[in-house]
Amino acid sequence: DGGITQSPKYLFRKEGQNVTLSCEQNLNHDAMYWYRQDPGQGLRLIYYSQIVNDFQKGDIAEGYSVSREKKESFPLTVTSAQKNPTAFYLCASSSWTGGDEQFFGPGTRLTVL
Amino acid sequence: KQEVTQIPAALSVPEGENLVLNCSFTDSAIYNLQWFRQDPGKGLTSLLLIQSSQREQTSGRLNASLDKSSGRSTLYIAASQPGDSATYLCAALNFGNEKLTFGTGTRLTIIP
Repeated sequence: DGGITQSPKYLFRKEGQNVTLSCEQNLNHDAMYWYRQDPGQGLRLIYYSQIVNDFQKGDIAEGYSVSREKKESFPLTVTSAQKNPTAFYLCASSSWTGGDEQFFGPGTRLTVL
Repeated sequence: KQEVTQIPAALSVPEGENLVLNCSFTDSAIYNLQWFRQDPGKGLTSLLLIQSSQREQTSGRLNASLDKSSGRSTLYIAASQPGDSATYLCAALNFGNEKLTFGTGTRLTIIP
């Protein structure tokens, strides 16, 4: 089955720790995205990548970092610099940026203890 | 800067009724508009994508329309069922932009 997987489903972090959220896709898509979702707010773009070894900041990149070493993988690290990291994180992919349909993974819920 | 609005934030409808969900956007220079469904605690499921050159798209009981001149899109759901209960989100992609702008969604409850 083609699709996007995210792991873990739930993640707990102590203050001051960095954590990495996994996103893998087997759709052969070039573009991948990370969004953050908070109650009562629309999805906000953290980072996106148009191609391997390239990525761009979105609207709320501060306190986050990404890498794109393989086409199918786009991990997100939430660093200790992110002041309010508790949220639902969604990964998405599309054939290309700028116009194609986006497909989403099941999400990771991050809670800071 | 594009802004996308979905009103109402919540809607309850008896089973079997037809219903319309609304999506408004401020910048009409959109490349496409996408409708998604989100169940509680889950990711987004793509329902329909309308290109800027299209007026509507249909999939089963769902029909999405696009009117760029008025800055509006609607999602029509025919013969609603309890399984349609979810939050529905619309998102617009503008020309020259690689990112979607999302509305905050309409939480739909179908009453059996």
